Amino acid sequence: GDSVTQMEGPVTLSEEAFLTINCTYTATGYPSLFWYVQYPGEGLQLLLKATKADDKGSNKGFEATYRKETTSFHLEKGSVQVSDSAVYFCALRQGGSEKLVFGKGTKLTVNP
Amino acid sequence: EADIYQTPRYLVIGTGKKITLECSQTMGHDKMYWYQQDPGMELHLIHYSYGVNSTEKGDLSSESTVSRIRTEHFPLTLESARPSHTSQYLCASSKTEVNSPLHFGNGTRLTVT
Repeated sequence: GDSVTQMEGPVTLSEEAFLTINCTYTATGYPSLFWYVQYPGEGLQLLLKATKADDKGSNKGFEATYRKETTSFHLEKGSVQVSDSAVYFCALRQGGSEKLVFGKGTKLTVNP
Repeated sequence: EADIYQTPRYLVIGTGKKITLECSQTMGHDKMYWYQQDPGMELHLIHYSYGVNSTEKGDLSSESTVSRIRTEHFPLTLESARPSHTSQYLCASSKTEVNSPLHFGNGTRLTVT
């Protein structure tokens, strides 16, 4: 079945450092890909998405590019802030499926 | 700002009690979901609904039940809570369109003693 693999955390960075969280997927066809963020004590929020190959999703300085050749959707940010500390989830959804398949989440802590 | 509301935010109850976790959304979404999030953060789909009078079981077997009598309301019920039910429960909704993103509530953190 479909699956998502994220780099294991936790990840700890200093403020203004460059962030990469790796995400690869296994799926048939052409799923849509998503990054969600969960701040402490809250539910998940959609951070960005891409619906077809070579699409780049971006939001709040975060970016991810849908790479079908490497089945990847890595999350990047050029300069992280303390307020970016959260858990980040990569996810996919097949066309016509009700299910959003999540990775296991990567906890990011940014220190001042 | 949340368009999907879950109550209560926190609940501590004793074993054997019946509980209902409430979820309401104001976006007019037909599809709604319940996810269980374990302490290791992993998310498991336990129930979903295509619309009124539709309920389906998800990937993770759950002793909970759901109902969908109104579009905006998707409550989850545990008839007899056990310590193994201790978890965070997240409700979500989405549009009908293929590959629409899910919108999540802030969750209910349930502790069964």
